[in-house]
Amino acid sequence: ILNVEQSPQSLHVQEGDSTNFTCSFPSSNFYALHWYRWETAKSPEALFVMTLNGDEKKKGRISATLNTKEGYSYLYIKGSQPEDSATYLCAFSAASGSARQLTFGSGTQLTVLP
Amino acid sequence: DAGVIQSPRHEVTEMGQEVTLRCKPISGHDYLFWYRQTMMRGLELLIYFNNNVPIDDSGMPEDRFSAKMPNASFSTLKIQPSEPRDSAVYFCASSLGVQPQHFGDGTRLSIL
Repeated sequence: ILNVEQSPQSLHVQEGDSTNFTCSFPSSNFYALHWYRWETAKSPEALFVMTLNGDEKKKGRISATLNTKEGYSYLYIKGSQPEDSATYLCAFSAASGSARQLTFGSGTQLTVLP
Repeated sequence: DAGVIQSPRHEVTEMGQEVTLRCKPISGHDYLFWYRQTMMRGLELLIYFNNNVPIDDSGMPEDRFSAKMPNASFSTLKIQPSEPRDSAVYFCASSLGVQPQHFGDGTRLSIL
């Protein structure tokens, strides 16, 4: 069983604050790390796929970093807005077996207060 | 572009009935995944297909669950007989190779 953990479980921030949260995953047998954004009553939407140690990806005010040697990824949101409120999921895929198979963390639920 | 299409969006049925969930993946995608989301266990992979062939069904909870993909544009997940503990949101997703998975809107299933 692959252990993918996210912290914190939930987070409340004020509009305009910057925030970050963590995904930890097995450091061995790494293939890729995915980040998804999941708004209430909608379906998960892909943000990033990261494959190389030291990768840094950016999409607007959201960015992510990857450390495969120690098994963690950070997601950063700069200047949070109420529309950023969602659950952010990370998912790990292993090099052995099928790399298409994702193991999801339990998510960080972000609420941005106006 | 049409995304992944799931039907029905909501299903309420009585315990013991057969339930069939349907999914149409994005055209051209070669992978299709079925997930179940519950409060207790989060998002769990049930089964996935590659080019219509089931690759890994180790996440299927028990023999009451079955999934088929008769062609590249259609898949079903069937529960027979259904039980109250099967109540959850079921998502279908598709992808092209190792590209990000695209999720459907889910089917919210309630078994009374």
